[in-house]
Amino acid sequence: EPEVTQTPSHQVTQMGQEVILRCVPISNHLYFYWYRQILGQKVEFLVSFYNNEISEKSEIFDDQFSVERPDGSNFTLKIRSTKLEDSAMYFCASSYGRVNTEAFFGQGTRLTVV
Amino acid sequence: AQSVTQLDSQVPVFEEAPVELRCNYSSSVSVYLFWYVQYPNQGLQLLLKYLSGSTLVESINGFEAEFNKSQTSFHLRKPSVHISDTAEYFCAVSPHSGGYQKVTFGTGTKLQVIP
Repeated sequence: EPEVTQTPSHQVTQMGQEVILRCVPISNHLYFYWYRQILGQKVEFLVSFYNNEISEKSEIFDDQFSVERPDGSNFTLKIRSTKLEDSAMYFCASSYGRVNTEAFFGQGTRLTVV
Repeated sequence: AQSVTQLDSQVPVFEEAPVELRCNYSSSVSVYLFWYVQYPNQGLQLLLKYLSGSTLVESINGFEAEFNKSQTSFHLRKPSVHISDTAEYFCAVSPHSGGYQKVTFGTGTKLQVIP
């Protein structure tokens, strides 16, 4: 069964450093997403990506964040100058369509900023 | 804007007993409704969804949820739980026009099945 894979499963980084979270969406999917879940809080939408550009982003997704699909298979989330409050579980997801289709989620990357 | 409320953060239940996980939502527009499950150390998996039609939807592993528009609820039920159902369950909504970029999740309910 096809699945979304994320690497690494756990990343520890020092405050102020840059991190790149990686995702391999399902191969024929066209829409890609990043969500995050701060411990004990809701899963929150960060950004959606379609046709090699951001289609929508939330208020959380400020200039500190960027996304890229560098090679047609990977989908990355870059966080510049990490802050303690960036510590969270980050989920990547992909879907074939925009509506009426299932979004498949990866297992998440737990980011710990120290 | 939408919001989702899952009042129960943890629900312990004995094996083979019935369970109900509650979900209420608020929205000014029509929404699709979802339940996702997260097993330990795994990603979010879609358990079931309501898009249109029959208000009672079922999953392949015995869960069901009923969309109640008047009560703005989408409670998840199972008549007899198994140990393997131990997981965290997330209720979510998205507006009809929004797609998955507009999905709003609840805070999750941890279901603990006791042998």
